[in-house]
Amino acid sequence: DTAVSQTPKYLVTQMGNDKSIKCEQNLGHDTMYWYKQDSKKFLKIMFSYNNKELIINETVPNRFSPKSPDKAHLNLHINSLELGDSAVYFCASSPRDREISNTGELFFGEGSRLTVL
Amino acid sequence: AQSVTQPDIHITVSEGASLELRCNYSYGATPYLFWYVQSPGQGLQLLLKYFSGDTLVQGIKGFEAEFKRSQSSFNLRKPSVHWSDAAEYFCAVGAVPMDSNYQLIWGAGTKLIIKP
Repeated sequence: DTAVSQTPKYLVTQMGNDKSIKCEQNLGHDTMYWYKQDSKKFLKIMFSYNNKELIINETVPNRFSPKSPDKAHLNLHINSLELGDSAVYFCASSPRDREISNTGELFFGEGSRLTVL
Repeated sequence: AQSVTQPDIHITVSEGASLELRCNYSYGATPYLFWYVQSPGQGLQLLLKYFSGDTLVQGIKGFEAEFKRSQSSFNLRKPSVHWSDAAEYFCAVGAVPMDSNYQLIWGAGTKLIIKP
């Protein structure tokens, strides 16, 4: 069973289009994230949700909108795609610990490679 | 401000040789420390983590890391690398305590290349 699954794995689209990436985790974790990894492998957090509540919202264009219908799902919708949006987008989740509010261990999906032409 | 530095963009090691990947951090107290590995085309996987206690931590795949407070370092080591270790390695630092709105600070990664 895949712990954190993202779809699609590859996405090629034209500038100006709108696209979505879906993420599901079956680990029972409370917190989910979206990360962007650029061509130089640099990881940048975009959003974090805890029990469907938006916790972290980094400086990301309004064209990016996360949605968490329940704590097992966190989807990412991107409007009006631009060339600079080309990257690998990773979904991740993390568990909570009784003593440490967040263990800090992230479980990553395999990534969704977005190419904007 | 917190930061993580991985000074080596890439490292080439012969198969069977020992490995050390460097990680230095800047943080006001002892942070939570992590090493993740990203194999080609894959997501990141946790190798090991340090929260407290013994400063030498063991991880998966034969890796270990040592926390040195005086040097603000958390270097990753492996005594003998295998071709399958070729990957990108990321060091990360987490603020203590980790509230719901914590976020990891990531290094830029070190690409490990294995020579046959």
